[in-house]
Amino acid sequence: RKEVEQDPGPFNVPEGATVAFNCTYSNSASQSFFWYRQDCRKEPKLLMSVYSSGNEDGRFTAQLNRASQYISLLIRDSKLSDSATYLCVVTSGRDDKIIFGKGTRLHILP
Amino acid sequence: NTGVTQTPKFRILKIGQSMTLQCTQDMNHNYMYWYRQDPGMGLKLIYYSVGAGITDKGEVPNGYNVSRSTTEDFPLRLELAAPSQTSVYFCASSYSVEQYFGPGTRLTVT
Repeated sequence: RKEVEQDPGPFNVPEGATVAFNCTYSNSASQSFFWYRQDCRKEPKLLMSVYSSGNEDGRFTAQLNRASQYISLLIRDSKLSDSATYLCVVTSGRDDKIIFGKGTRLHILP
Repeated sequence: NTGVTQTPKFRILKIGQSMTLQCTQDMNHNYMYWYRQDPGMGLKLIYYSVGAGITDKGEVPNGYNVSRSTTEDFPLRLELAAPSQTSVYFCASSYSVEQYFGPGTRLTVT
């Protein structure tokens, strides 16, 4: 099983819809979880951290399910500008090894 | 703060040439990283540093070298460029685990 797995997509979603995608991780000792956003030909940028209690920032909600070892990202009322690749990041083990998923591509359709 | 800066933005190398990719951060972060990202693929860690004078290999260190003489700078050296090193190179820094990325260097080796 890969350390961090994401559905590569693309997810093609009409503007205004709600979309959600998950990221699974293999190491139950993982400590920290993040979602990054990467626009085409740009650098990744931190979108939000994922806390045990969940995290909401405007239209974006991130949740952690430790029992099933996955994190999720929900985007409500999607905008054209949400089109990007969303990278899941997990820190694993006592050495805080940082592991990036390969990303999920999201296309918001007008 | 300007964050993480990288130079050059683009470079074309011939096989066997050498070059140094520059990375500087002004956030006083101890942790710095070099990643490569091939088209349509995830980030792969090349080298990282936990502080001035300390460097460690990541997932794909072969063909590269790094140094960390100051907190601010973390240059990546390619000694004998090969076509397999054609990629986009991202430098990142962090205070803990939340990473901040530079804009990247697009390198083509022909």
